[in-house]
This record gives sequence, C-alpha cells and structure tokens, in this order.
Amino acid sequence: DVKVTQSSRYLVKRTGEKVFLECVQDMDHENMFWYRQDPGLGLRLIYFSYDVKMKEKGDIPEGYSVSREKKERFSLILESASTNQTSMYLCASSLYGATNEKLFFGSGTQLSVL
Amino acid sequence: QKEVEQNSGPLSVPEGAIASLNCTYSDRGSQSFFWYRQYSGKSPELIMSIYSNGDKEDGRFTAQLNKASQYVSLLIRDSQPSDSATYLCARTPSGGSYIPTFGRGTSLIVHP
Repeated sequence: DVKVTQSSRYLVKRTGEKVFLECVQDMDHENMFWYRQDPGLGLRLIYFSYDVKMKEKGDIPEGYSVSREKKERFSLILESASTNQTSMYLCASSLYGATNEKLFFGSGTQLSVL
Repeated sequence: QKEVEQNSGPLSVPEGAIASLNCTYSDRGSQSFFWYRQYSGKSPELIMSIYSNGDKEDGRFTAQLNKASQYVSLLIRDSQPSDSATYLCARTPSGGSYIPTFGRGTSLIVHP
C-alpha cells in the first residue's frame, strides 16, 4: 500500500516563526500536493509538484512556499507564520497525473499559530 | 459559484436506510469524478470514482453521473453507523489538468 507520511500530527508555533511541514511518500509517485482544510471551506490547494524541483501554485499560495529536492519528499514552508494559517494541512500524492487518478493522503498536520 | 457544490448537511439517516449524497459542478467539460470519505480527525480516502454517464456499483455504494445535468451522486445502501463521516466530492477539470477540485463535503450521520 502507498504510504504518505507527514512528519507531525500536531504543531504549535508562534506568529512570525518560520514553519516547515514535511511530507514523504514511499511509492515513487510523480505528483505531490499540499492542501489546507478549514471547517466550511473544504480542501483548498496550496501548491503542487509534478517532478523534482518543479512546482506550481494552487488556489491559495500566498504566504507559503514549497520545496521538492527529492522525488519522495515535498515540504511546505510558512515563511512567517500568521494566525490565519492555523489549519489542518494535508499532503497527498498521485502516480502519473492522469485525470482519473486518485490521491493518496497523509494523516494531516494540525497547525496552530498563536 | 464554487466549481463543486455540496450541501454541507448534516444528512441524518436511520441505520439500514439509503443515504443519498449529491454534488453539482459548474465545468461542463469535467473529466472524472471522485467520492472521498473522511472520518473525523482522519484524512480523506477514496471510495468511488466514476468517469462515464450512468451508474457504477461497488458493494453498498453506487455512484451516479449525469453529465448533461452536471451532477454526481453517491448512494449508500443499508447505511451503518460506521458510514458516519464527511463525504467529499471531487472532479478533475477539462483541458487535460489532473488536479482535482474538491467540494466542501457533506456530513452524514447514521443513527441506530
């Protein structure tokens, strides 16, 4: 089975801190995604990557950046955390990038910015 | 208008009943459609996908797609309390993009 692992289940940070969220997948998937999930707003795409060192902005990239130096690892960076970035962050991956492919999700990181 | 619309619910059904979850979308050229189930505090997992008009059955689950009317639905027969979760509808857009767009989800409660 595909495993998508997010490094932290819960994280508490202070306003202004630089925050790193790590995601690792073990099935040689080409594509990786970062979503945030907020009550009433559903899943919103922050960034995705279709190859090593390649990245594309999603719907809400402001305040975030990403890094993909190795195929299996996709990092989300909050350059200067703010309280409105308190959210559940979900990493996902998919194999090829076909329109009928499903996403495999990690278990999520609940980030609180105080 | 959000690209994928779902009633947030909660939809409450008695155990053993059929639960009907609906989703509409605005992009007529949408390619593929997915239903993910998300238990409270857990991550989404795929339960059904459908690409062609009509019905697709898998055990107690049936996905229905009507591209002319731009809706997709999920029927859960013989609903169980363990089906209580949020159900997310997603679709991939036209133009060859494989990035799915998600609806906000419908909360389903199956009471004994």
